[in-house]
Amino acid sequence: SQTIHQWPATLVQPVGSPLSLECTVEGTSNPNLYWYRQAAGRGLQLLFYSVGIGQISSEVPQNLSASRPQDRQFILSSKKLLLSDSGFYLCAWSMGGRDSPLHFGNGTRLTVT
Amino acid sequence: EDKVVQSPLSLVVHEGDTVTLNCSYEVTNFRSLLWYKQEKKAPTFLFMLTSSGIEKKSGRLSSILDKKELFSILNITATQTGDSAVYLCAVGLGVGTASKLTFGTGTRLQVTL
Repeated sequence: SQTIHQWPATLVQPVGSPLSLECTVEGTSNPNLYWYRQAAGRGLQLLFYSVGIGQISSEVPQNLSASRPQDRQFILSSKKLLLSDSGFYLCAWSMGGRDSPLHFGNGTRLTVT
Repeated sequence: EDKVVQSPLSLVVHEGDTVTLNCSYEVTNFRSLLWYKQEKKAPTFLFMLTSSGIEKKSGRLSSILDKKELFSILNITATQTGDSAVYLCAVGLGVGTASKLTFGTGTRLQVTL
C-alpha cells in the first residue's frame, strides 16, 4: 500500500532564515505531487503541483519554491522566510490523471518568528 | 474566481444524532467533488462524486451531488464521538493532468455524549 511521509512535524524559524520541507511517497510510481498551505480560518490553498520529475507548476506568487529531484520526492523551499509564511503545510499525492483523490501527509506546522 | 462554500461553519450535536453538512460551489471546469475528514493533521479521503443523484455510502456516512444546483451534502447517521472533526469539501477542476482541488473552509463537527 502507498504511504506518504512528511517532515518535520513542527518547525520554528526566524524571519530571513531558509526553509526546506521534504515529502516522500512509497508504494507507487510516477505520482502527482502537491504542496498545500492551510491558514487559520481559511481553506487549503494549493501552492505547487508536479506531474513528473523536474516539472513544477506554481499556483500563487509567493516567497516559496518547490522542486522534485526524484520521482517520489517533493521539496518545498524558501531562501528567506517571511512572517506571512507561517502556517500548516501539507504534502499530498495522487495517481496520474485528473479524477484521482489526493492523499495527504501529516503536515508541517511552521511558525516564523 | 472558483469558490467552494461550506455550511454550517460549526455544529455541536449529541451522540446518536443525524447531521447534514452542506457544500455549494461556483467553479469553471468542474470535474469532481470530494469530501475529507480532518481530525488533527492529515485530511483523510471519504468520498469522490462525479455524477448527479448517485449516493455514495460508507457505513454511517453518505454523500450525494447535485450538479444542476451546484451542491453536495454529507450525511452522518447515529453520530459517535469519533466523528468529531473538521469536514472538508473540495472541488476538482478539469485542467491539465493533475487533480487540482479547491477547498472550502470546512465544517467543524463536535459530537458530545
